[in-house]
This record gives sequence, structure tokens and C-alpha cells, in this order.
Amino acid sequence: GQQLNQSPQSMFIQEGEDVSMNCTSSSIFNTWLWYKQEPGEGPVLLIALYKAGELTSNGRLTAQFGITRKDSFLNISASIPSDVGIYFCAGPGAGGTSYGKLTFGQGTILTVHP
Amino acid sequence: EAQVTQNPRYLITVTGKKLTVTCSQNMNHEYMSWYRQDPGLGLRQIYYSMNVEVTDKGDVPEGYKVSRKEKRNFPLILESPSPNQTSLYFCASSKLRDRANYGYTFGSGTRLTVV
Repeated sequence: GQQLNQSPQSMFIQEGEDVSMNCTSSSIFNTWLWYKQEPGEGPVLLIALYKAGELTSNGRLTAQFGITRKDSFLNISASIPSDVGIYFCAGPGAGGTSYGKLTFGQGTILTVHP
Repeated sequence: EAQVTQNPRYLITVTGKKLTVTCSQNMNHEYMSWYRQDPGLGLRQIYYSMNVEVTDKGDVPEGYKVSRKEKRNFPLILESPSPNQTSLYFCASSKLRDRANYGYTFGSGTRLTVV
């Protein structure tokens, strides 16, 4: 099946720093999704990207859909302690019933020190 | 409140004892899915359902069964659980047909331990 590789696997940063993480795939995706999971909870959608080259922001978060359609990037500016969590990229299969197959990356664990 | 409800939140069971984890959503979503989360592996899809009576395998379906007899419910069945099914399980739902609504809503998770 499709695989998504996220990096880095974990990050330890100081409050106020900017954060960058990315997700790559060996196959093309038509949609890229970024989720955040807080301890003890299910993932929550942060940003959805639908078009190659698209740049979308959600507050301090900005995500980009790579031109090749095989990668995506998430940036967090001026991190704060509540940014702590696991960030996942995800992409659905293309067309027909494979539309329901959603593949997740391994996740990036973010720790923010006050 | 729009939500996906999973039960139980925590479950410890013994090898081979059949169990069911329930999932219910109140948003009239067509699409529902089950995932398992393991450290370093992210979330892996077990089964999904595009609508009532329509189910399909995800990436790791072995050892699991599902059914979708009603739109709101999508139970996950482990007929003969084994220790390698110890994991954190999530149910999710979405109004998949609307591309602008790709916001899958996840339940709060079920932590299963098989001894």
C-alpha cells in the first residue's frame, strides 16, 4: 500500500521557536491532510490541502502541498506550550472505493519547553 | 454535540476471548473507519465503510471483523484476540463525499491490552 514518511520523528524546542516538519511519499497524492493528536485524544484535523503548490494557513500553522504532489510541509511559527502533541500527515487513496483508504505518516512528536 | 463515541475506553482481556469495541456517530456521516495506533507506526487503517452494508479492508485487517448494519454504528470485532493486537484503537467518521469536509472526526480511543 501507499506509505508516508514523516520527519523528524521528534522535536524538542524552546517556546517561541519556529517548527518545520515534512512528509514524503513514493506515490502521488491528490490531497494532503495534517492532523494533531493531544495526549489521550484522537487526532484533530488542522489543515487540508487539495492542489499542488497550495499554501494554506490556520493561525500560526502553515502547510504546503508540494509541486511534485509527493510531499507536504507543515510549519508552526512562534511555538507555545499548547503546541505539544503528535503531528500526522495523511493522504487518501485516489478514486473509487480507494477514496476511503486514508494513509497516515508515522507522526512527529513535538515537545515545547517553556 | 457532534461526536464519535467509542466504548470501552480501556479493556484488558485474555487471549482468545471474543470482544467487540463499539463505535457510534451522531453526524449522519456515510464514511466510518477503524485505525490502530502503535508507537513509531502512526495510525494504520484496519477497515473502512463507505456506507451501510459496504465495508472494505484497510492496510491491517487480519484478525478483525466489522459490520455496518446501520449508518450510525460501526463495531470492531476481535473473534480471537492475540497479544499482538494490544494497541490503541480509534474510530473515525466523515461526510466523505464533500471534499471540503475532509475533516474526519475521531473518537477518543480504546486502549486494548490482550494478555
